[in-house]
Amino acid sequence: QQQVKQSPQSLIVQKGGISIINCAYENTAFDYFPWYQQFPGKGPALLIAIRPDVSEKKEGRFTISFNKSAKQFSLHIMDSQPGDSATYFCAANPWGGSQGNLIFGKGTKLSVKP
Amino acid sequence: DAGVIQSPRHEVTEMGQEVTLRCKPISGHNSLFWYRQTMMRGLELLIYFNNNVPIDDSGMPEDRFSAKMPNASFSTLKIQPSEPRDSAVYFCASTRSTGELFFGEGSRLTVL
Repeated sequence: QQQVKQSPQSLIVQKGGISIINCAYENTAFDYFPWYQQFPGKGPALLIAIRPDVSEKKEGRFTISFNKSAKQFSLHIMDSQPGDSATYFCAANPWGGSQGNLIFGKGTKLSVKP
Repeated sequence: DAGVIQSPRHEVTEMGQEVTLRCKPISGHNSLFWYRQTMMRGLELLIYFNNNVPIDDSGMPEDRFSAKMPNASFSTLKIQPSEPRDSAVYFCASTRSTGELFFGEGSRLTVL
């Protein structure tokens, strides 16, 4: 119940294309869902986050879609750029719990080809 | 503003040696987390502190691992004795309870 399952493990997209990464969870107590971006040699950094009172959140080219009934959420990167090449982690935790005590997915390595 | 500062960035040691990793959280942050990252297991939470007090150490793999936070600006993660399977990147992260974790750049540990 504490797992967050992320797919795909790796993704190759052409420049200008749409990158889609999916995550699923089981624990209905989870109500905070961030995505972190990690470049090689760096620590993860918060990219965008959503709470389940909305079904979608958009920040620039990055959009989170949330399906509460299916217990799934996804990250869409529109007009993908080579600079987006990184590893992306979805995560979850109960908002009422210790914030920052996140359960992370295994990560998706995104490569955007020029 | 300085971010989370970790040292050393790289450590190569031999099996059986003691390893100490250090972390300085962002000033004003009251929670500190130690994560371990490997290809096989991804990001694993080892332990976290709230106001310098250890809250949950259930992720610490075994008694060879210990962590301390003597004050609000410093934490250590110690492995004694180290084993090859401890090779990983260890991240420290801090937060001011806003939900956003700020990670350091990590300490890459190689145990030969």
